[in-house]
Amino acid sequence: DAGVIQSPRHEVTEMGQEVTLRCKPISGHDYLFWYRQTMMRGLELLIYFNNNVPIDDSGMPEDRFSAKMPNASFSTLKIQPSEPRDSAVYFCASSLLRGGTDTQYFGPGTRLTVL
Amino acid sequence: AQSVAQPEDQVNVAEGNPLTVKCTYSVSGNPYLFWYVQYPNRGLQFLLKYITGDNLVKGSYGFEAEFNKSQTSFHLKKPSALVSDSALYFCAVRADSSYKLIFGSGTRLLVRP
Repeated sequence: DAGVIQSPRHEVTEMGQEVTLRCKPISGHDYLFWYRQTMMRGLELLIYFNNNVPIDDSGMPEDRFSAKMPNASFSTLKIQPSEPRDSAVYFCASSLLRGGTDTQYFGPGTRLTVL
Repeated sequence: AQSVAQPEDQVNVAEGNPLTVKCTYSVSGNPYLFWYVQYPNRGLQFLLKYITGDNLVKGSYGFEAEFNKSQTSFHLKKPSALVSDSALYFCAVRADSSYKLIFGSGTRLLVRP
């Protein structure tokens, strides 16, 4: 299996621009998670989906952030407009609920720099 | 509320010596506990998990962890450290009623030759 795929791996943009991060989960997984990692705040859950439906978006920092999952094999995280404080590594993870439990598998991450 | 504490920012150990990375947790209900490792510029890799059953859990790369309910701890251990084990280690917990993982702040393990 190819694992969780994220693109781009690196993104450098200017403040005010729209940024779209992409994720392809492991085939057959029914949960998808978006995380953000910074030195100051560590690893934070932003939002997660079950069977393409957003379940909990309480971690999304503000309205500038939005996430979609149009089908089981693709999800996007969009920031519009971007700000320097959004600079971080964004991870996507997926899991399969089996026997009442699951293990999350992470992608390689997208390193976002907003100038 | 769920929380995880990793009290050590960094653990230093000599190659060949045993290592322990500490983790304590707080959760309502039964805990599901996980350890992940992160190498530089990489995503998190799953090492092991505790759901139920035997308190000693064995995982990848020779790592194991011991669940201690009375001390609410889930320390990561390895009998003999390798230089290649040097990385950032994260403990995570979720309650059995939720699929949200709460991560600790991470512990950097440095194994010197």
